[in-house]
Amino acid sequence: NAGVTQTPKFQVLKTGQSMTLQCAQDMNHEYMSWYRQDPGMGLRLIHYSVGAGITDQGEVPNGYNVSRSTTEDFPLRLLSAAPSQTSVYFCASSYYHPGQGNTGELFFGEGSRLTVL
Amino acid sequence: AQSVSQHNHHVILSEAASLELGCNYSYGGTVNLFWYVQYPGQHLQLLLKYFSGDPLVKGIKGFEAEFIKSKFSFNLRKPSVQWSDTAEYFCAVNLVGSSNTGKLIFGQGTTLQVKP
Repeated sequence: NAGVTQTPKFQVLKTGQSMTLQCAQDMNHEYMSWYRQDPGMGLRLIHYSVGAGITDQGEVPNGYNVSRSTTEDFPLRLLSAAPSQTSVYFCASSYYHPGQGNTGELFFGEGSRLTVL
Repeated sequence: AQSVSQHNHHVILSEAASLELGCNYSYGGTVNLFWYVQYPGQHLQLLLKYFSGDPLVKGIKGFEAEFIKSKFSFNLRKPSVQWSDTAEYFCAVNLVGSSNTGKLIFGQGTTLQVKP
């Protein structure tokens, strides 16, 4: 089972460049999200989606865009990269539990390490 | 705003020592609780979870956690750690309710270093 797949695993950008981090899941999960992980700050939610065509902002959305055209894919776009966006990015998906809604149990991709010079 | 606090940022133990990592959250409603582990260079993996029922939950690799609702706590324990437990541990909370969207709120993480 592939689970949650992220590409690329590593990327170096120059300030001002744009790029897209890809995320795909094959578990038919409705909920998908993007987090960034920085030392001493845990994981912070960037954007999330509760289903195809629906996205919303998380805790740190500035400088990032997302779209959700299919259940499987949830790409994260950096519009104009800045050194402050140097981080490790994780995509995650989650499922709905009958009678309880979304449980919050996340399945993570392997991460994408981004360096912005 | 709701938050999750992990009291220990960096813990160093010798093999066979007992472990307890603290986690407190600030939310008065129903919650789902999680501990995730991140081994060096790897992604986060679920260690254990609490949805309802017995407040003492057991996870993989001998870990357990106890949900104490009155203390808003979900501490992680292991009676005897191994060198392979060296990792970063994250507590996370899902706020269950009418507007539940499944978002997880993470603590800052605790780095555990186990000396052989």
